[in-house]
Amino acid sequence: GQSLEQPSEVTAVEGAIVQINCTYQTSGFYGLSWYQQHDGGAPTFLSYNALDGLEETGRFSSFLSRSDSYGYLLLQELQMKDSASYFCAAPDNAGNMLTFGGGTRLMVKP
Amino acid sequence: DAGVIQSPRHEVTEMGQEVTLRCKPISGHDYLFWYRQTMMRGLELLIYFNNNVPIDDSGMPEDRFSAKMPNASFSTLKIQPSEPRDSAVYFCASSLGLAGTDTQYFGPGTRLTVL
Repeated sequence: GQSLEQPSEVTAVEGAIVQINCTYQTSGFYGLSWYQQHDGGAPTFLSYNALDGLEETGRFSSFLSRSDSYGYLLLQELQMKDSASYFCAAPDNAGNMLTFGGGTRLMVKP
Repeated sequence: DAGVIQSPRHEVTEMGQEVTLRCKPISGHDYLFWYRQTMMRGLELLIYFNNNVPIDDSGMPEDRFSAKMPNASFSTLKIQPSEPRDSAVYFCASSLGLAGTDTQYFGPGTRLTVL
């Protein structure tokens, strides 16, 4: 089976940098995805790491270490609109179904 | 493309009633997923289809839940009879290919309240 653990809540101030960690246990591993969900909205895709290392997309970066079964999402130059829940997710060993972590609620304060 | 479309957006019903949720995936996507989201259990996969065929329904909570995909552009999730513990937001998502390599696009969700 799959299990992904992430902190339930993180608070940071506008303009700062925040890191959201995710540790996982999976029977097979295809990679780690990150999704963002605003209150009342739908999850939307942010990034995907298939290989170790850092992937950068604008203010957001995602990191994966397969040997440590660990990844993180890094958000830089935080803006108020970044207040949302962030989910890490990993597919099953056939690559078909995603299991989501419990989500990290990020609150950005002025 | 309009994205994944779900209807209704909100549904309030009484315990014991039948509920049908509808989804139109993005045209050309071969995979369709139904998820349920609650505060207690988070985001759970209920069932997914590949080319209209149900592949894995191990997440369907019990026999009261059923899902169909009669064609590539339409799927339903039915709960009969509904119970208060079924209250949740139900999301439909679609993707071009495997979840491991292709982005899943979520619909806006249906917020179900069972009284």
